[in-house]
Amino acid sequence: QQQVKQSPQSLIVQKGGISIINCAYENTAFDYFPWYQQFPGKGPALLIAIRPDVSEKKEGRFTISFNKSAKQFSLHIMDSQPGDSATYFCAANRSYNTDKLIFGTGTRLQVFP
Amino acid sequence: DVKVTQSSRYLVKRTGEKVFLECVQDMDHENMFWYRQDPGLGLRLIYFSYDVKMKEKGDIPEGYSVSREKKERFSLILESASTNQTSMYLCASSSSGTGQHEQYFGPGTRLTVT
Repeated sequence: QQQVKQSPQSLIVQKGGISIINCAYENTAFDYFPWYQQFPGKGPALLIAIRPDVSEKKEGRFTISFNKSAKQFSLHIMDSQPGDSATYFCAANRSYNTDKLIFGTGTRLQVFP
Repeated sequence: DVKVTQSSRYLVKRTGEKVFLECVQDMDHENMFWYRQDPGLGLRLIYFSYDVKMKEKGDIPEGYSVSREKKERFSLILESASTNQTSMYLCASSSSGTGQHEQYFGPGTRLTVT
């Protein structure tokens, strides 16, 4: 119940295309769902996050879609750029009683010109 | 600019050695974390500290211990390094304030145990 399952493991997209990464969880007590972006040689950094009271959150070209009934959430990168090439991690936690995050296994995104 | 620093970017140690990985944050954060990152396994929590001298086991604490004597510093200790501890180690910190869950990561230490 503590796992967050992420897919795909790797993704290759052409410049200008849409990148979609999916995550699923089991624990209905989770109430905070962030996405982290990690460039080679760097630590992960928070990209965007959502709480389950909304179904979508958009920041620039990055959108989180959240489906509470299906216990799934996804990251959409519109107009993907070579600079978006990185590893993306979804995560979840029960923010009311812990500061620990449970991370997915990561998706390596490569955007080709 | 917020900062989490780790003492080494690359480290090579021999099997059986005692290894210390140091992490320092300058954000006055209450929480500090140690993760290891392996391909296909994502980020796995080793230990977590929510206050000075306080620690909590994560998902994979076996073979590791931690020390937090000062708020800004969190050390990961490999008592007797083994080859299966070859990995990327990431330190992170976060505030325990309401709604403040963003974790700030250091650049990582790539440890090789031979």
